[in-house]
Amino acid sequence: GQQVMQIPQYQHVQEGEDFTTYCNSSTTLSNIQWYKQRPGGHPVFLIQLVKSGEVKKQKRLTFQFGEAKKNSSLHITATQTTDVGTYFCAGSRGGNEKLTFGTGTRLTIIP
Amino acid sequence: NAGVTQTPKFQVLKTGQSMTLQCAQDMNHEYMSWYRQDPGMGLRLIHYSVGAGITDQGEVPNGYNVSRSTTEDFPLRLLSAAPSQTSVYFCASSRGQSEQYFGPGTRLTVT
Repeated sequence: GQQVMQIPQYQHVQEGEDFTTYCNSSTTLSNIQWYKQRPGGHPVFLIQLVKSGEVKKQKRLTFQFGEAKKNSSLHITATQTTDVGTYFCAGSRGGNEKLTFGTGTRLTIIP
Repeated sequence: NAGVTQTPKFQVLKTGQSMTLQCAQDMNHEYMSWYRQDPGMGLRLIHYSVGAGITDQGEVPNGYNVSRSTTEDFPLRLLSAAPSQTSVYFCASSRGQSEQYFGPGTRLTVT
């Protein structure tokens, strides 16, 4: 079955440093989504990427979808304490194919 | 709009007991899903539905039943609770394979 791996599992950064999490799928994806889950909360949708090589930005967050549509990354520039949480990618092969979530990267910020 | 609602928020069961986790959405979404979240395991899909009367198994369906008699409701039934089902359960809904809206979660402990 489809597998979506995410690395690293944990990341501790000083406030102001950059952060990147990587997502890799065992199969070609139709689209990839990213979610953020604050401690004690529920996952909240951030963005969806559908095109090969697509890059999207949301303020300090940059999302990329690989050319082969099998990998993706989320990069946060100059982290802030509000960025704390777990970031998940989720991929689908399209149609009625179910969404498969990665294992997540937990980001903690050292003030 | 209330979005996705889940009840109860917390539940403690004894091994062998049965119960139903409730999930409702008021966004007229055709897709609804149940996930469980365990430390280090990310979000694993239990069952999902692409419309009223249609359900399918996800990654970890054993020990759980679902039905979808209306667009709004997607209850999850634990037939005979086991300690391995101790987890946080999230219900989600979406329009097709787009942005998923998650409920606040149910924290279940089985002793």
